[in-house]
Amino acid sequence: GNSVTQMEGPVTLSEEAFLTINCTYTATGYPSLFWYVQYPGEGLQLLLKATKADDKGSNKGFEATYRKETTSFHLEKGSVQVSDSAVYFCALRKETSGSRLTFGEGTQLTVNP
Amino acid sequence: NAGVMQNPRHLVRRRGQEARLRCSPMKGHSHVYWYRQLPEEGLKFMVYLQKENIIDESGMPKERFSAEFPKEGPSILRIQQVVRGDSAAYFCASSPPGGLGSPLHFGNGTRLTVT
Repeated sequence: GNSVTQMEGPVTLSEEAFLTINCTYTATGYPSLFWYVQYPGEGLQLLLKATKADDKGSNKGFEATYRKETTSFHLEKGSVQVSDSAVYFCALRKETSGSRLTFGEGTQLTVNP
Repeated sequence: NAGVMQNPRHLVRRRGQEARLRCSPMKGHSHVYWYRQLPEEGLKFMVYLQKENIIDESGMPKERFSAEFPKEGPSILRIQQVVRGDSAAYFCASSPPGGLGSPLHFGNGTRLTVT
């Protein structure tokens, strides 16, 4: 079946550090890939997406590139801020899964000033 | 355009009572999904509905849980005879009909506490 694996957290960084959160997936064909962010006490917000191989999604300084050869969609940001502290979820969506999103376990990011 | 609206935000029930969670999708969205998030865990799919139809309920517990999305009104997730293990955040998401590139839009969730 379809699955998403994220690097284990929590991740703690200092402000302006470089961020990478690894995400790999298992699925046949070409799923669409997403990163969502969840701030404390809130729902999930879409951060970025990519719908085909080699697409790069980007938003608010975050980027992720859809790599079919390595089945990966790693999230990166060059310089994190305290306000980026949140839980980040990688997800995929594929027709054979009834078009629902399948999520990774989430990675807690804490950025210290 | 209002986002996905869930209510109540917080719900406290005693063991054995019923919990009803409501979700109004975004305007123009006809697909609704329910997810459950246990403390310190990720989101687990429960059920996918379109108007008046359950499309995929493979993530729903076989007993005590039911969901509907009537022709008029919000989608309802119903939990009968709640137990402590039902305590969790329940999120609803909606999407328009169309391709898989369309993201799901999430509400702020209902946090159910069973005492």
